[in-house]
Amino acid sequence: DAGVTQSPTHLIKTRGQQVTLRCSPKSGHDTVSWYQQALGQGPQFIFQYYEEEERQRGNFPDRFSGHQFPNYSSELNVNALLLGDSALYLCASSLVRTESSYNEQFFGPGTRLTVL
Amino acid sequence: GEDVEQSLFLSVREGDSSVINCTYTDSSSTYLYWYKQEPGAGLQLLTYIFSNMDMKQDQRLTVLLNKKDKHLSLRIADTQTGDSAIYFCAESKLPGSQGNLIFGKGTKLSVKP
Repeated sequence: DAGVTQSPTHLIKTRGQQVTLRCSPKSGHDTVSWYQQALGQGPQFIFQYYEEEERQRGNFPDRFSGHQFPNYSSELNVNALLLGDSALYLCASSLVRTESSYNEQFFGPGTRLTVL
Repeated sequence: GEDVEQSLFLSVREGDSSVINCTYTDSSSTYLYWYKQEPGAGLQLLTYIFSNMDMKQDQRLTVLLNKKDKHLSLRIADTQTGDSAIYFCAESKLPGSQGNLIFGKGTKLSVKP
């Protein structure tokens, strides 16, 4: 049973460029959330996708956008990159259709983005 | 408002107990979690507690919740060198998979042999 996978592992971009990060959820999961973790900080919620729509969004500018595909995988796009966008980007997957009452999100290993 | 506070560092000797503390400000948070992050890895859920509970024990882990003071703690008994990692406290308001997680900055636990 594959866990959450993310690609690429590392990425280096320059200011002003655009980047796309990818996430495949854990088998059987239907919801993908994205988090940004700056160095020395805790993860911050960017947005969540369910049924191919953005369901919740954190306090991030419109430069951050996403997409969910019919197979539940997801992409995170960041336009007009800034130095401050350098961070570890974490994807987490979960299952909405569950009788379980706790919010277990399974995290991938992350993509390390460096903006020069 | 929403904010989760943790002390940044904790150092213990192998075999001792570790206690990591966390405070949160959003009294409407329903679910509270402890995650572990090892270098170069994603986050691993260690345990969670509902806000209507005071304590939860799971093998070497004990979670205590003081809802009045909005204080959460994680006790690791018989701490091992493999427990060295960053521990994050997190909260969410919604049940199931619906809620976004709000994390603290993490507590770096160092275990000395």
